[in-house]
Amino acid sequence: GDSVTQMEGPVTLSEEAFLTINCTYTATGYPSLFWYVQYPGEGLQLLLKATKADDKGSNKGFEATYRKETTSFHLEKGSVQVSDSAVYFCALRAGKSTFGDGTTLTVKP
Amino acid sequence: GAVVSQHPSWVICKSGTSVKIECRSLDFQATTMFWYRQFPKQSLMLMATSNEGSKATYEQGVEKDKFLINHASLTLSTLTVTSAHPEDSSFYICSALETSGRNYEQFFGPGTRLTVL
Repeated sequence: GDSVTQMEGPVTLSEEAFLTINCTYTATGYPSLFWYVQYPGEGLQLLLKATKADDKGSNKGFEATYRKETTSFHLEKGSVQVSDSAVYFCALRAGKSTFGDGTTLTVKP
Repeated sequence: GAVVSQHPSWVICKSGTSVKIECRSLDFQATTMFWYRQFPKQSLMLMATSNEGSKATYEQGVEKDKFLINHASLTLSTLTVTSAHPEDSSFYICSALETSGRNYEQFFGPGTRLTVL
């Protein structure tokens, strides 16, 4: 079955630091891949997505590239802000999604 | 993007009572909705798939008689936690599948915090 392995957290960075959160997956076929962000006490918000190999999803300075050869979808941002502090989830498929365990990011001023 | 609402956003109830949580797609029709459960500092666990006009499909280990799901219209699914107990306390999140575009997209509700005393 499907599975998602996400970089363990928590991750603590200083403002303007570079962020990478690793995500690898196991799946049948070529599913769409997603990154969601969850702020405290809230539901999930779609951050970015990619629907096929080599697609790059981007939003709010975050980027992730669908790498079929390495079955990865790592999340990156060149310069994080305090407001980026949240939990980030990597996920497979729209619908009966499989989620990674989440990575808590704390950005300090 | 599309909007999914949940009501209530939080609820506190006594052990043994039943609680109903509503999930609505506000600006699109959703034949399929999903119910997830999230424990503190953990990932989302899919509980069931809610299909408009038919019975819900439950994931392994989820008690269908305890977690009743009804998808009565194309914009509303409800989750009823029957005879709730403290171990049912959790954050419940629904999502609705938007299928009008070329690629399906899932939109999440803001979640409902259930606390059973």
